[in-house]
Amino acid sequence: AQKVTQAQTEISVVEKEDVTLDCVYETRDTTYYLFWYKQPPSGELVFLIRRNSFDEQNEISGRYSWNFQKSTSSFNFTITASQVVDSAVYFCALSENNNDMRFGAGTRLTVKP
Amino acid sequence: DSGVTQTPKHLITATGQRVTLRCSPRSGDLSVYWYQQSLDQGLQFLIQYYNGEERAKGNILERFSAQQFPDLHSELNLSSLELGDSALYFCASSKGTGGLADTQYFGPGTRLTVL
Repeated sequence: AQKVTQAQTEISVVEKEDVTLDCVYETRDTTYYLFWYKQPPSGELVFLIRRNSFDEQNEISGRYSWNFQKSTSSFNFTITASQVVDSAVYFCALSENNNDMRFGAGTRLTVKP
Repeated sequence: DSGVTQTPKHLITATGQRVTLRCSPRSGDLSVYWYQQSLDQGLQFLIQYYNGEERAKGNILERFSAQQFPDLHSELNLSSLELGDSALYFCASSKGTGGLADTQYFGPGTRLTVL
């Protein structure tokens, strides 16, 4: 069964620090998709990125970047120069064979001014 | 604002009761997904519909059911409610036919409290 592990339950940083959120996944399939979602205090889930298993290129979007490494089954998320508005719970998720979606337990990020 | 709407925002009911949660997908999206977020279980996929047909099933209890109507809105029915059903229920929608691999956009959720 597929599994997603976000080992960091909570992270606290000071504004302008860089922070990396870890995500390790398990799957037996060669075709799968990985996602990151943000859940701010208001509660909604905000889509951040989708990556398929055949595309290992790292991606950068503004202050956000993602490092996908199949060799270590990891899909880590880095926020550069963090801001208070980045405070949220971040979820990594895995979809395998389009039949299921598994989320990690989430990492609560607190950015202090 | 994702464009996905869910009603009601909050729902308080008693054990043994039945409730219906409603979701309207983004304009043009054919797929609707339901998720449950609870303190015990985290975020769990429940069920997906595509253009009115059930497409994928996750950890959905037999007491729960869903449907998608011709206008593409969806309803999640929860019956014989138990205290443990208290959770935030999300609906999401997507344009594609790829199922759970599609990029999904989530609604604001319905918070269900069972007393």
